[in-house]
Amino acid sequence: ETGVTQTPRHLVMGMTNKKSLKCEQHLGHNAMYWYKQSAKKPLELMFVYNFKEQTENNSVPSRFSPECPNSSHLFLHLHTLQPEDSALYLCASSQEGYSSSGNTIYFGEGSWLTVV
Amino acid sequence: GENVEQHPSTLSVQEGDSAVIKCTYSDSASNYFPWYKQELGKGPQLIIDIRSNVGEKKDQRIAVTLNKTAKHFSLHITETQPEDSAVYFCAASRGGNLFSNYQLIWGAGTKLIIKP
Repeated sequence: ETGVTQTPRHLVMGMTNKKSLKCEQHLGHNAMYWYKQSAKKPLELMFVYNFKEQTENNSVPSRFSPECPNSSHLFLHLHTLQPEDSALYLCASSQEGYSSSGNTIYFGEGSWLTVV
Repeated sequence: GENVEQHPSTLSVQEGDSAVIKCTYSDSASNYFPWYKQELGKGPQLIIDIRSNVGEKKDQRIAVTLNKTAKHFSLHITETQPEDSAVYFCAASRGGNLFSNYQLIWGAGTKLIIKP
């Protein structure tokens, strides 16, 4: 059983809808992440929160808006998405917000998003 | 920019045989190299990792080797079993600015199929 829980697991939304993805981690970690996974492509890091502070990623369109109310919860607010935004969105957490040995990233099972 | 090339994209091996997946990285500042396994319907899970000051690491049937001079690292799975069927991702840590310290540079994944 994963220590990172994502809801909903599947979401279909129209291009004018507003929806949100939710993530909760039960591991006591200080860093949380949103990744986008598309078929046969590398994982794309979208956002990082380290001790509830966001590190900006300028390459993510503003139609994706993250929110981290506390160190255990992370949201991804979605608004006026495009069909090419259809993908698996993975939430993850780690003890600290940097990549190194001993700072394993734990992933949730993902939210499948389809934009119609 | 920095990237990680992963080969092959699909690998089919007979049960009991060995499987090798190779990755090449470009960022000379990379010093941490994890491997993740993603089973169908689940998020990626760390299976083994290696730091740049080590040339090889083993954990039961899996091993990772690193050649810093050539900038490539490989995953070796011996005595493959049906439960090894999954998508495997390699990644390399990224040096540089504050945001990049949070990032892993990911390969595009290898779908490993174990034939009975």
